[in-house]
This record gives sequence, C-alpha cells and structure tokens, in this order.
Amino acid sequence: DQQVKQNSPSLSVQEGRISILNCDYTNSMFDYFLWYKKYPAEGPTFLISISSIKDKNEDGRFTVFLNKSAKHLSLHIVPSQPGDSAVYFCAASDIQSGYALNFGKGTSLLVTP
Amino acid sequence: DTGVSQNPRHKITKRGQNVTFRCDPISEHNRLYWYRQTLGQGPEFLTYFQNEAQLEKSRLLSDRFSAERPKGSFSTLEIQRTEQGDSAMYLCASSLGLAGVAKNIQYFGAGTRLSVL
Repeated sequence: DQQVKQNSPSLSVQEGRISILNCDYTNSMFDYFLWYKKYPAEGPTFLISISSIKDKNEDGRFTVFLNKSAKHLSLHIVPSQPGDSAVYFCAASDIQSGYALNFGKGTSLLVTP
Repeated sequence: DTGVSQNPRHKITKRGQNVTFRCDPISEHNRLYWYRQTLGQGPEFLTYFQNEAQLEKSRLLSDRFSAERPKGSFSTLEIQRTEQGDSAMYLCASSLGLAGVAKNIQYFGAGTRLSVL
C-alpha cells in the first residue's frame, strides 16, 4: 500500500514561473517530510525538509508547505529555472521506524525556456 | 569526495547467481539505509543499520537477501539465487542518526543497477 502519493507524474512550467509539486500521505504517524530531486543515473539529492511541528519551511527558491489536517504537502519553486528539470520525490518518515523513508512515485518536472 | 559511495555501479548477472553490493557511507554517519528502486517507482525501503546493528527489515527483504555492516562502517547487500524480479537500482543512504529530526536527513549514493538475465 502506497502511504505517500504523488498524483501528477509530470509537470511542465515555463522558466521564471512558479512550479508547484504536490504530495499526499495517509499515515498520521509521519512526523518528518522531505523532498528529493533526482537526475538520471544519479541517486536522489536532498532538497528541503519540514518537521510536522511546522507548516512552512523556506530555503532560497524552494518552499515546502505542510497541511497536517489534510495530510498534504507541496513544494514551491520560484522562479523556476531550466536546471530544475528533474524528477522530484516526496518522502515521509517517523521515529518509530528509524526514519526510514517512504517515497512517492515522483513527479517529472520540465522547465522550458 | 566525502559522499556516499556505492560499488559496483552496474552489475549484470545470470538468474540463479549470487551478487554482492558494497556501500561506503559518509564517515561520521552512524545510520545506513538500503533501498530498491524499480522503473516508474520511488525508492522502497529494505533495511537499515544503526552502527553495526541491523534494526529494521522490510517485508520486501526476502530470505535470499542479507545485509551486513561489520564494525559499523561500510555495508554489503547480498542477493542469493538471483531472480529476474530482482532487477532494480539498489540505493544506499546514510544519516547522522542523532536526536533531532534535522540530523536524520539521508544522503544517497548513486546506486548499483542490477540486471538479472
């Protein structure tokens, strides 16, 4: 059973615009959420994270929002750049399982010039 | 380079053969995780170590799979009697594993791609 879901397999955005990637989860025990970026033939690269005690975390062009009541999080990239084109994975974890990551299936982002 | 290192990068084997992969974590990290990723899916958790102790195993880790982390440093993942369904990317990640969630960011290696013919 997929506890973390990314329902949009792909997203295309123009350079300079905002990219919004969405993620839903089902397990209310999750207390730490992360976004990873992956290029072909490379491992996932950590991007940004958020604890369940917060509703927003910002790092440069990247902002993650968490809505615990809706079990939903989103990643905003502003402004989007062509180098942001990659597959983005949402992941969730909890202390009970040693913070083993539960990943979504990923969203492929294409930023066009 | 002080990142997570995985070897080999690619492995092609025949069905029924045994294979072993190696992961060298970031040196000060005491937690090490193994994941498997198949096409179109996100990585799936297999097992993790806190120092040399294997603390959790996923139900995906069948009896043909075994992982070790002697002396709490590098780790090996062995698959015995490989099957075509074992074909996947095997990813290793490490983290500090200290108290405080920010310390539990996992950093991934580039993975070992296994093809079972």
